[in-house]
Order: sequence, then structure tokens, then C-alpha cells
Amino acid sequence: GNSVTQMEGPVTLSEEAFLTINCTYTATGYPSLFWYVQYPGEGLQLLLKATKADDKGSNKGFEATYRKETTSFHLEKGSVQVSDSAVYFCALSEVDSSYKLIFGSGTRLLVRP
Amino acid sequence: NAGVTQTPKFQVLKTGQSMTLQCAQDMNHEYMSWYRQDPGMGLRLIHYSVGAGITDQGEVPNGYNVSRSTTEDFPLRLLSAAPSQTSVYFCASSYSTSGEETQYFGPGTRLLVL
Repeated sequence: GNSVTQMEGPVTLSEEAFLTINCTYTATGYPSLFWYVQYPGEGLQLLLKATKADDKGSNKGFEATYRKETTSFHLEKGSVQVSDSAVYFCALSEVDSSYKLIFGSGTRLLVRP
Repeated sequence: NAGVTQTPKFQVLKTGQSMTLQCAQDMNHEYMSWYRQDPGMGLRLIHYSVGAGITDQGEVPNGYNVSRSTTEDFPLRLLSAAPSQTSVYFCASSYSTSGEETQYFGPGTRLLVL
């Protein structure tokens, strides 16, 4: 079946450091890929998405590229801020099945001043 | 638009009690879903609906019932709560149109079953 694997956390960085959170997936066909972010005590917010191979999603300085050949969707940011501390979830949905997101286990990011 | 709203925000139940978690959306989305979030496990799909009158089971449906009588509302019912149902519950909605796959999430309901 379809699945998403994320690197385990927590990831602890100093402010202005470079961030990479790895995400790989297993799926049939061409799923859509997402990164969601959950700030402490809040629900999930869409951070970025990509719907086809080689698409790059970007938002708030975060980027991720849909790599079909490596089945990956790694999240990157060039310079993290304390306010980026949150839990990040990688997820996929199959074509015409947007009601069914399959999530990775989440990666907690802690950014120190 | 209010987006996706959920009530209550927090609830404590005793084992065997029943309750309904409410979810509503005002975006005219066809699809609605319920997930539970447990530590270290991400979110898992409980039930989903592709339109009014149509529901189906997700990955972890046991112990939960749903119905969808209107486009806007998608309540989740616990008929006899168990401690294993202690979790944070999220409702989400999305369009059915290809290219509009983004699910929008509510703020969540934190449930504690004693």
C-alpha cells in the first residue's frame, strides 16, 4: 500500500541554520505531495504542495521538489527562525482521492536563538 | 469564510459514554474526512465522505460512526468510548476537482477517555 516515511526528530538547529527534512514515499501512479505544519497547540496548516513530477512547491522560504525518480519530497529552508519551531508532516494523496491523505509520522523542529 | 470548525475543543469522557464530535465547513467542499492524531504516528484516517449521503471507512474506523446529511456537516460519533480512543481528532475538507487536492483542517478536538 501507499506510505510516507519521514526522518525522525527532533531536529534541533540554531537560528539562521539550513534545514532539510527528508521525506520519501511509496505510491502507485502519480500522487500529489504535501507538507503540512503544526504549531504548538494548533491544527495543521498547508505549507506547500506539488502535484506532478519536477514541480517545486514553495512558501514562507520553504521549498520542496517532487522527485519521481527518487520518490522523494524533501523540505528545505535556507535560514530557519525561532518561529519555525513546529512539527512538520509530509503527506500524499492519490489522484481523485483528496479525501484520503496518507501522512508520515511527523518531524519536530526546534530552533534555538 | 470560517473554514472548517470543530466543537468541542476539549472533552473528558468516562469509559462507555457516548458523544458526538461536530465538524462543519462553509467552503462548499464535496469531500470531508476525520483523522486521529496519536504521538509518533502522524494522522490516521478514520472515516471519509465524498458527498452528502455517502460515507466510507478509512484506516482505523472501529468504534466510530459517521453520517453526512448535508454538504456542510460531518459529525463523528463515539457510541461507547474506550481509553484507546484518547487522541486528538481533526476534521478536514477538500474539493473533488483534480488540481484542487488541498485538504483544509479544523483546529482539532482533544479527547480524554478515563
